[in-house]
Amino acid sequence: GAVVSQHPSRVICKSGTSVKIECRSLDFQATTMFWYRQFPKQSLMLMATSNEGSKATYEQGVEKDKFLINHASLTLSTLTVTSAHPEDSSFYICSARPGQGTVSPLHFGNGTRLTVT
Amino acid sequence: GENVEQHPSTLSVQEGDSAVIKCTYSDSASNYFPWYKQELGKGPQLIIDIRSNVGEKKDQRIAVTLNKTAKHFSLHITETQPEDSAVYFCAASGFQKLVFGTGTRLLVSP
Repeated sequence: GAVVSQHPSRVICKSGTSVKIECRSLDFQATTMFWYRQFPKQSLMLMATSNEGSKATYEQGVEKDKFLINHASLTLSTLTVTSAHPEDSSFYICSARPGQGTVSPLHFGNGTRLTVT
Repeated sequence: GENVEQHPSTLSVQEGDSAVIKCTYSDSASNYFPWYKQELGKGPQLIIDIRSNVGEKKDQRIAVTLNKTAKHFSLHITETQPEDSAVYFCAASGFQKLVFGTGTRLLVSP
C-alpha cells in the first residue's frame, strides 16, 4: 500500500531557531502533498497544499513566511518552521495520495512532534 | 467551504458491543468520505472510505453508510475489541481538500 514517511518524529528546538520537517512518498509519486497541524485532543487542520515545482497554497490565517514549504521532487516535500516560538509547538502531519483527483485515498505520515522551548 | 460535524466526541463501549459514529457535511459537492483511526502519537490511518455513488461499504467488522440527500455518513464497528480504542475522524473531500470532523474518542473496555 501507499506509504508516507515523515522525519523527524520528534524535535525539540530553542525559541528563535528554525526546524525542517521532511515528508516522503516511498512507493508512489505525489504532485501534491498536504501539511496539517494538530493540537492536543483536537482535529487536524490543513495548513497548506504543497505543489511539486510551484508555490504552495496556504490556508487562511497561516503565515507563509513562517511556514516555508518546498516541494522539490515528486516524492519529497519539506516544511520549515522559521523563527520558532513556543506557540508553534504542535503535532505536524503530512499526507499525500497516489493518483490524481480527490477520490483516491489520502495517506498520512506518522507526524512530527515539535516542542519549542 | 466544507464543514464537517462529528458525534459523539467520546464513546465508551464494552468489548463485543457495536459502536456507531455519525458525521454530517455541508457541501453537496463533496464526493469522497474517508474514515481514519488515530492512535496516540501517530498519524491517522485510513480504515475505510466511501464514494458518493455508493450508499454502503463493508470491510469485515467495519462498515460505512452514506446518505447524500441528508448529507450524513456513519461508521459502524461491530464486535468491538480493546485494540479498536483510538480516536476516529471522519472527513469529506470536495475539490482537492480533505476536511476533517472533530474526532471521536472510542474506548473499548474488556
